[in-house]
Amino acid sequence: GAVVSQHPSWVICKSGTSVKIECRSLDFQATTMFWYRQFPKQSLMLMATSNEGSKATYEQGVEKDKFLINHASLTLSTLTVTSAHPEDSSFYICSARADRTPVYGANVLTFGAGSRLTVL
Amino acid sequence: QKEVEQNSGPLSVPEGAIASLNCTYSDRVSQSFFWYRQYSGKSPELIMSIYSNGDKEDGRFTAQLNKASQYVSLLIRDSQPSDSATYLCAVTTGNQFYFGTGTSLTVIP
Repeated sequence: GAVVSQHPSWVICKSGTSVKIECRSLDFQATTMFWYRQFPKQSLMLMATSNEGSKATYEQGVEKDKFLINHASLTLSTLTVTSAHPEDSSFYICSARADRTPVYGANVLTFGAGSRLTVL
Repeated sequence: QKEVEQNSGPLSVPEGAIASLNCTYSDRVSQSFFWYRQYSGKSPELIMSIYSNGDKEDGRFTAQLNKASQYVSLLIRDSQPSDSATYLCAVTTGNQFYFGTGTSLTVIP
């Protein structure tokens, strides 16, 4: 089936530094990828929709200057948490929808394994 | 009104019983419907997809879709302790995916 690789799976950083998280679709092309954040015991929260070759669409309340998204190719989207602070500590999850839907089924969304960010 | 609504639970069933998870959605143009399972500390994984009215069975899992009632459900037969997780209902109109808040299921040995 479709595989989405997310890296790093775990990162600890100092307050004020920037952290980049990569999301790769390994065996399919994905024009659209999604970035979510999840706090402990809470539901997924959509942060932004990433589209290859264009600007990401951010959900209300998500700071686009703080969470930079770059979807440079059909298989790679990156999320950069700039000037991270302890309140940014969370579980960040990407997902991708295969362009060629007949291969993996219509509109199937595949998730990466997630990246756990801890900001000290 | 939320696009997708689920009972947050927790839902507890004894091992071997049938677990029934329910979901309603608000957008009538929704095309595809999914159930994801999420273990604590892990990302969601797809367990079922359904696109047309009726039942779809895959092993111990059966998804049921009723577009007229805007209702989708997941039945887990012969529930196992390893089924203990949060189950997310997801709906897409093609462009956007909408997730419910998830139902926490505990299967008691």
